[in-house]
Amino acid sequence: QVQLVQSGAEVRNPGASVKVSCRASGYTFTGSFIHWVRQAPGQGLEWMGRINPNSGGTNNAQNFQGRVTMTRDTSISTAYMDLSSLRSDDTAVYYCATDVAWGQGTLVTVSS
Amino acid sequence: QVVLTQSPSASASLGASVKLTCSLSSGHSSYAIAWHQQRPEKGPRFLMKLNSDGSHSKGDGIPDRFSGSSSGAERYLTISSLQSEDEADYYCQTWGTGLPWVFGGGTKLTVL
Repeated sequence: QVQLVQSGAEVRNPGASVKVSCRASGYTFTGSFIHWVRQAPGQGLEWMGRINPNSGGTNNAQNFQGRVTMTRDTSISTAYMDLSSLRSDDTAVYYCATDVAWGQGTLVTVSS
Repeated sequence: QVVLTQSPSASASLGASVKLTCSLSSGHSSYAIAWHQQRPEKGPRFLMKLNSDGSHSKGDGIPDRFSGSSSGAERYLTISSLQSEDEADYYCQTWGTGLPWVFGGGTKLTVL
């Protein structure tokens, strides 16, 4: 079955960057978009963007333009989300997802 | 831009049935949606894709107690024979060709 396994929790200072990974298995990696979604404490789900693992092409939400970079490594079926210029309100759980599956989430804490 | 509207909360008794609603904004009544479940302190779990004609395809391992239906711009998730483990937040989500994912605000289901 489709499985997405994410990297572990991270703590960063304001202004720093963080890179979260998402390793896919159980399907053809290049056959489905991978989306990144975040959830701030006590809040709903917010779409950040997506990557086409086949072409590497990306679409980002306007809220994250210029701060988020999505990449992939097809040789290891892994997608990455890099968020820069971190602020305290970027503290959230970050999820990768396909149309039919979610990763387990990665908690990113931004604090000085 | 499509908007999805959900009631913030719902409740039903153990063993009973509950029907959750997701409303598509004007002009978007033909859109398919997906339903996701998020149990407390857990990541989201894909439940099903639901088309405008009411046909739906469920994720792996989703019990038969979960079903979907549609009427006009309304999309429904019905959970029958409610169990304590069904207490969770339920999110609807939609998409368009080349368009980002859009989430509803979520419905918090309490099992009494």
